[in-house]
Amino acid sequence: AQSVTQLDSHVSVSEGTPVLLRCNYSSSYSPSLFWYVQHPNKGLQLLLKYTSAATLVKGINGFEAEFKKSETSFHLTKPSAHMSDAAEYFCVVTRLSDYKLSFGAGTTVTVRA
Amino acid sequence: NAGVTQTPKFQVLKTGQSMTLQCAQDMNHNSMYWYRQDPGMGLRLIYYSASEGTTDKGEVPNGYNVSRLNKREFSLRLESAAPSQTSVYFCASSEMGLRQETQYFGPGTRLLVL
Repeated sequence: AQSVTQLDSHVSVSEGTPVLLRCNYSSSYSPSLFWYVQHPNKGLQLLLKYTSAATLVKGINGFEAEFKKSETSFHLTKPSAHMSDAAEYFCVVTRLSDYKLSFGAGTTVTVRA
Repeated sequence: NAGVTQTPKFQVLKTGQSMTLQCAQDMNHNSMYWYRQDPGMGLRLIYYSASEGTTDKGEVPNGYNVSRLNKREFSLRLESAAPSQTSVYFCASSEMGLRQETQYFGPGTRLLVL
């Protein structure tokens, strides 16, 4: 079975400092992995996705993630946080059985001025 | 191009009442999905429709029914609402339902069942 674990339920950073959101997955095959962002009272928006091409994936708004098969991780980073990055972030993996999405529990990011 | 739209945005129901959540997409996508979002649990798939005329159960289908009315529209019905169905409901669509595809989400419907 495929599953996703987001290691932090809440991350608080100061504006201008780096952001790291950790995600581990379990899968018996090479999965497709995504990061989605949800701003308050909004729908989900795709930040980036990994589909077995380059292991370092660049997304929108300065975010990037690195796929590490040996560590079964897909951590999301941004060098310098902005106030507009305050949101909830979901790590997502596709399931082999039917290609549907399996979501992590989410990480809430707070950005301090 | 509105993307994925959902109605209503908010709804309060009494236990036992019924309602239908509407979803429409204007991206000519084949696949559509209904999710529910509960605190600390991410999103869980309720039902999906791989293509017009087909529907299948997801992880948490009990208490729900769906209709793929046409290629654009995919509705979710609660026949007899229960407090456990208090949640935020998201509709999504994707082009072909393939594993690498991006799913595009609507803004959500917030449902409270008293």
